[in-house]
Formats: sequence, structure tokens, C-alpha cells
Amino acid sequence: AQSVSQHNHHVILSEAASLELGCNYSYGGTVNLFWYVQYPGQHLQLLLKYFSGDPLVKGIKGFEAEFIKSKFSFNLRKPSVQWSDTAEYFCAVNSGGYNKLIFGAGTRLAVHP
Amino acid sequence: ETGVTQSPTHLIKTRGQQVTLRCSSQSGHNTVSWYQQALGQGPQFIFQYYREEENGRGNFPPRFSGLQFPNYSSELNVNALELDDSALYLCASSLAGKPYGYTFGSGTRLTVV
Repeated sequence: AQSVSQHNHHVILSEAASLELGCNYSYGGTVNLFWYVQYPGQHLQLLLKYFSGDPLVKGIKGFEAEFIKSKFSFNLRKPSVQWSDTAEYFCAVNSGGYNKLIFGAGTRLAVHP
Repeated sequence: ETGVTQSPTHLIKTRGQQVTLRCSSQSGHNTVSWYQQALGQGPQFIFQYYREEENGRGNFPPRFSGLQFPNYSSELNVNALELDDSALYLCASSLAGKPYGYTFGSGTRLTVV
């Protein structure tokens, strides 16, 4: 069965620090990969997605992620975080014939001014 | 475009009762998926509906059932509620043939006491 692991459950950073959130998935076939963000009290929003092509994907709000097939990883990065990035971040993977997403447990990010 | 609307936003039920959650899909979307997000966990896929029929199901018992209506809105029904059913229930709509373009609703917070 497919699974997604997010290595950090809680991350605390100061503003302007760099961010990297780890995500590994377990599936050997073709996958589609996603990062979603959930701001406090709001719905899940798509940050970025990877289907094929350039393994370095750029998303909204300055986020990017790199797909490394050999490591089954899709880590999320941002060079300089802001207080407004405080949220919970979910990595998700999809494969198969229908639109089922497998989510990781999430990483709660707190950015202090 | 309208987003995904879920109702109610919060609900408290007693163990053994039945509950119905509702979802209006985004305009132009014809597929609805339901997810359960327990506290501290990522969303877990319950099932998906397309053309008013179930089109894929996760690892949830039969007491979790659903409907999709001709206008693409959907209901999630849970019978014989258990304490562990307490969670945030998320609805996501998408358009078949435009894979993985989910729009999530803000969810219904169900508490079973």
C-alpha cells in the first residue's frame, strides 16, 4: 500500500530562516506529488504539484519542491520564511486510476517574528 | 467561480447516532471526494463519487456511505457513530478528465460524545 512520511511533525523557525520539510513516499510506479497548506481556520490549498518533467517545481508564495525519484522524496523548500507562513503543511501522492490522494501526517510550522 | 461549501461547520452527536454531512461542489466540477482528518493526522480518503456512483473507496467500513446528486452535490452518511469517528470531514471536488485539480472545502468538525 502507498504511504507518505513527513519527517518533522513540528518545526519552529524565526522569520527569514530557510525552510525544508521532508517528504518520502512508498510507491515504485509513476506518481503525482503534491504539497498542500492549511492556514489556521482555512481550507486546504494547493502549494505546488509535480506530474512529470523538470523535477524542481515552483509553487505559490515562493515555495518550491524537488522530486528525487531515486530517493522517493519530494521535499518542500523556501529560502526565507515569513510569519504568514505559519500553517500546517501536507505532502500527498497520487497514483492509480482515480483521484485518490494519500496524505502524510502533516508538519506544523510556526514562524516567530 | 464558487468554491466548495460544506455544511454544517460543526456538529456534536452521541455514540450510536447517525449523521449526514453535505457538500456543494465547485461550479463546473463533477467529481466529489470525501476525506476524514483525525486530530494530528493527515486527511484519509473515504470515497469518491462520479456520475452519482461510488468510484473508489478507502479503508472505511460500510457504515460510511454517500450519495451524489444530479447537480454534483454530495452527502456523507455515517451510521452507528463511534467515538473514533470524531474528526474533520473534508469534501473535495474536481473535474473528471482534469486530474488532480482538487478544490477542498473548509470541512465539517464532527464530535462524537
